[in-house]
Amino acid sequence: DTGVSQDPRHKITKRGQNVTFRCDPISEHNRLYWYRQTLGQGPEFLTYFQNEAQLEKSRLLSDRFSAERPKGSFSTLEIQRTEQGDSAMYLCASSSDSSGGDWRTQYFGPGTRLTVL
Amino acid sequence: KNEVEQSPQNLTAQEGEFITINCSYSVGISALHWLQQHPGGGIVSLFMLSSGKKKHGRLIATINIQEKHSSLHITASHPRDSAVYICAVHRNDYKLSFGAGTTVTVRA
Repeated sequence: DTGVSQDPRHKITKRGQNVTFRCDPISEHNRLYWYRQTLGQGPEFLTYFQNEAQLEKSRLLSDRFSAERPKGSFSTLEIQRTEQGDSAMYLCASSSDSSGGDWRTQYFGPGTRLTVL
Repeated sequence: KNEVEQSPQNLTAQEGEFITINCSYSVGISALHWLQQHPGGGIVSLFMLSSGKKKHGRLIATINIQEKHSSLHITASHPRDSAVYICAVHRNDYKLSFGAGTTVTVRA
């Protein structure tokens, strides 16, 4: 059973460019979360999917941010017209409702570090 | 004010010392998590608590629901324990609120 994977691990872009990150959760995990972590801080909640439905989107996510989980498996997070303030680590996590596991235990991916120049 | 406060922010210990990290929260929760983050970003779940105490190897986590407080203890600390330890609380069905983390450095 592989863990949560994220791609790319690092992304350097120029201000104004669009970027897209991918998260592959643990197989058959129906819950998927995106977080953002800036240097020296704990992660902050961005958005949550249960299967393919996006159930909450944080106020932190401006209209430049969009996330999808089209088939209830992998998810993408897109940032349009990037700004220097978007520089952060973007973390994905997944968990499962299935019997035998506690949905509250989230498994984190290694993160995508975004640097906007 | 953050819903989850951790102390200390940084901690340096000599190998073998007993380490305590504290976490206080101000909201109702269904569970509290202690997480470990190594340089490079990966986060690993250490404990999930809703009451009492849990122990895993040299790590012990306790929670006092009435006082809205939790502690993470590391006994006989080792340089490989050097990491950022993050307290997070489950407020509702899915949302985690995180503390800022405690950076632990254990010197040989």
